[in-house]
Amino acid sequence: EIVLTQSPGTLSLSPGERATLSCRASQSVSSSYLAWYQQKPGQAPRLLIYGASSRATGIPDRFSGSGSGTDFTLTISRLEPEDFAVYYCQQYGSSLSAFGQGTKVEIK
Amino acid sequence: EVQLVESGGGLVQPGGSLRLSCAASGFTFSSYWMSWVRQAPGKGLEWVANIKQDGSEKYYVDSVKGRFTISRDNAKNSLYLQMNSLRAEDTAVYYCARGGWLRVPYNWFDPWGQGTLVTVSS
Repeated sequence: EIVLTQSPGTLSLSPGERATLSCRASQSVSSSYLAWYQQKPGQAPRLLIYGASSRATGIPDRFSGSGSGTDFTLTISRLEPEDFAVYYCQQYGSSLSAFGQGTKVEIK
Repeated sequence: EVQLVESGGGLVQPGGSLRLSCAASGFTFSSYWMSWVRQAPGKGLEWVANIKQDGSEKYYVDSVKGRFTISRDNAKNSLYLQMNSLRAEDTAVYYCARGGWLRVPYNWFDPWGQGTLVTVSS
């Protein structure tokens, strides 16, 4: 079973700043089968990134994903007011999927 | 427009049962893996179960194995989660999510339904 650890737990930033979120796996994630989701209060999660670096349909290009093996990163180049939310990574490289515990990006 | 609508949540006593449903529309339901993901109040996301396009493969998180059963009816474009022997720790919002179109269980989830709340309490 692959365990995902996200850091930091909370990121306090101002609009316009760059956000860098980390997701570390307890073992290598097959074929970079790593996705990122955004969740706002009272809403369902929304897919941002799949395959570690491919943006989902309709996702702005300020969101980018990178990494391979056990270390993955979600970068938001310039935070917009609507980007303040909780972000989750998910590994889907095995028949048993798993999520990280989440990183909250809050307004400083 | 792709849409997933869950129903069937509610209050149930410990040890009780509940059946969740997810009605799908806007895509060829029988071509996709489908999944259930849950979120306890104030907590993170937990994948619960996956089911293959034809129902021939099913996978579960260890904590629900033997208690929950995922199923689907492709003729009705519907996904189900039968939950038995419910515990307080099963209290969560349960989301239905669409997986991939390949024949392997390696799925990201897109889109998600709005969720249905299951509360297990006496």
